Amino acid sequence: DVKVTQSSRYLVKRTGEKVFLECVQDMDHENMFWYRQDPGLGLRLIYFSYDVKMKEKGDIPEGYSVSREKKERFSLILESASTNQTSMYLCASNSLGTDTQYFGPGTRLTVL
Amino acid sequence: RKEVEQDPGPFNVPEGATVAFNCTYSNSASQSFFWYRQDCRKEPKLLMSVYSSGNEDGRFTAQLNRASQYISLLIRDSKLSDSATYLCNGNTGNQFYFGTGTSLTVIP
Repeated sequence: DVKVTQSSRYLVKRTGEKVFLECVQDMDHENMFWYRQDPGLGLRLIYFSYDVKMKEKGDIPEGYSVSREKKERFSLILESASTNQTSMYLCASNSLGTDTQYFGPGTRLTVL
Repeated sequence: RKEVEQDPGPFNVPEGATVAFNCTYSNSASQSFFWYRQDCRKEPKLLMSVYSSGNEDGRFTAQLNRASQYISLLIRDSKLSDSATYLCNGNTGNQFYFGTGTSLTVIP
């Protein structure tokens, strides 16, 4: 079974804090993704990575950065959290050449 | 305009009913399509791929109409356990788009 894990299910941070969201997959997938999901807006792609140290901007990269130092791990960084970044963050991965994505359980981030 | 659009619903149907969802996409370069199911407070999980020739998996049928740029999902003989949000997904290879989801509640 493909397993994608995220470091926290729930997180509460204050405005201006630096926030790290970690994602790990155990299926040797080349591609990894970070989405946020908001009511009425659906899933929106923040960043994705197709290889170690490679990254591509998605639709809403502003206010976020990512890091992929190891194939199995993809981190999302909020340099200075703001209240409009309160959301559900979902990590996903897939294998090169396939488009089916496997999602982690999500991190519900609240920024106060 | 969103790349992928679907009716958010909610769809409330009785057990045993047949229900259909449509999803339109704007990028004609989209190559692959999927339906995902998302239960409340859970992550999306793949329900089925969508092939040009149409494909069936038990009570579920997915179809793709490239000329009109839409995909559909048909659920026959609805069960209570089908209650969830259904997300459509279209991909161009390096672009990945999800619809906002259609909420389905199957009523006893």
